[in-house]
Amino acid sequence: RKEVEQDPGPFNVPEGATVAFNCTYSNSASQSFFWYRQDCRKEPKLLMSVYSSGNEDGRFTAQLNRASQYISLLIRDSKLSDSATYLCVVSPFSGGYNKLIFGAGTRLAVHP
Amino acid sequence: DTAVSQTPKYLVTQMGNDKSIKCEQNLGHDTMYWYKQDSKKFLKIMFSYNNKELIINETVPNRFSPKSPDKAHLNLHINSLELGDSAVYFCASTKGIAGVETQYFGPGTRLLVL
Repeated sequence: RKEVEQDPGPFNVPEGATVAFNCTYSNSASQSFFWYRQDCRKEPKLLMSVYSSGNEDGRFTAQLNRASQYISLLIRDSKLSDSATYLCVVSPFSGGYNKLIFGAGTRLAVHP
Repeated sequence: DTAVSQTPKYLVTQMGNDKSIKCEQNLGHDTMYWYKQDSKKFLKIMFSYNNKELIINETVPNRFSPKSPDKAHLNLHINSLELGDSAVYFCASTKGIAGVETQYFGPGTRLLVL
């Protein structure tokens, strides 16, 4: 089983749609959780951290369920500029070092 | 004013050659990383240095040797290149070593081994 699993997509949605991505992780000792965004042929960039209480940043909402080892990202009112690959990222405890485990990503294509 | 830069951006070479990729960050960060992103888009950590000290060394062939001359630079030397080394190599940095820190990635080096 992969350490971080995501539906690869692609998700093809019209502008204005709401889309949700899911992610599961295998290491129950994982400490920190993130969503990174990677545009085509570019480097990954942090989109948002994910907290147990859930957190929102504009049109983006992230949720964490530690009991189910499940992370989600909800994008409301999709824009063309949201087209990218969304990477679910988990940081397990590893001697205190910042070792990130990346999922393979979910591709989103927003069309007019 | 690029935060994390890598050279070269593209590298095409023959099997068996030795090549180096360089990374520099001007963020004043203490920790730097090398990641490999293969054709299936999995991004996997290879090495990490904190203040020039190796702190993460994943299962990577001995042909890969990182070097950190100072905390702003982390280079990757690859000996005897193989076809399977073709990938995008990303450098990244963080201020500290804690798992909550944001990683800042360089633009990547696209390596193609023929």
